[in-house]
Amino acid sequence: QMQLVQSGAEVKMPGSSVRVSCKASGGTFGSSAIDWVRQAPGQGLEWVGLIIPVFGTIDYAQKFQGRVTITADKSTGTSYLDLTSLTSDDSAVYFCARADYTNSFDSWGQGTLITVSS
Amino acid sequence: QSVLTQPPSVSGAPGQTVIISCTGSSSNIGAHYDVHWYQQLPGRAPKLLIFTNNKRPSGVPDRFSGSKSGASASLAITGLQAEDEADYYCHSYDTALSGVVFGGGTKLTVL
Repeated sequence: QMQLVQSGAEVKMPGSSVRVSCKASGGTFGSSAIDWVRQAPGQGLEWVGLIIPVFGTIDYAQKFQGRVTITADKSTGTSYLDLTSLTSDDSAVYFCARADYTNSFDSWGQGTLITVSS
Repeated sequence: QSVLTQPPSVSGAPGQTVIISCTGSSSNIGAHYDVHWYQQLPGRAPKLLIFTNNKRPSGVPDRFSGSKSGASASLAITGLQAEDEADYYCHSYDTALSGVVFGGGTKLTVL
């Protein structure tokens, strides 16, 4: 089963940008879909977007269009989430997850806490 | 407000059965999109519990089962154990939003 390891927690200023990485080991990164999901403190799960590296397919939740970019480096098996124009509402734990052929998320990263505060 | 509606909380005594509902609409579950369920322990990443409506990944006890009918789905947990105390989320796809949607989550308390 694929293991996903994410970058560490960060504190960012309002209006700035953040990059979160998600490195995969095991499995077949290139042919998998990697989704990004966030969870604000005490709240539920919220889908941010996905990338399928082998096809170059990228899709974003409507809410984040224009502020989010998801990329993948097939040579290193790493996906990146870039989020710009941060506000306090973006403070959350960001997870990457692998979607298999059933579109269920069978592997998850450990989560990355992003805190937006002045 | 989540697209998929779950009860905020459910509870049950050890050994009992609880059912968590996930109500959608004609643009998601009712449009024949599959439902998946996750268990999230405090401070941990979610874990896949049920995929494609009623299938269990290897290692998930058969005390957990899923079903789907019309625009709704349910997760049943039989023989409740203290270790089942967690948050549970349903997940599907919504064609109107063109994206993944989750339920708001249900907190299970084992009395």
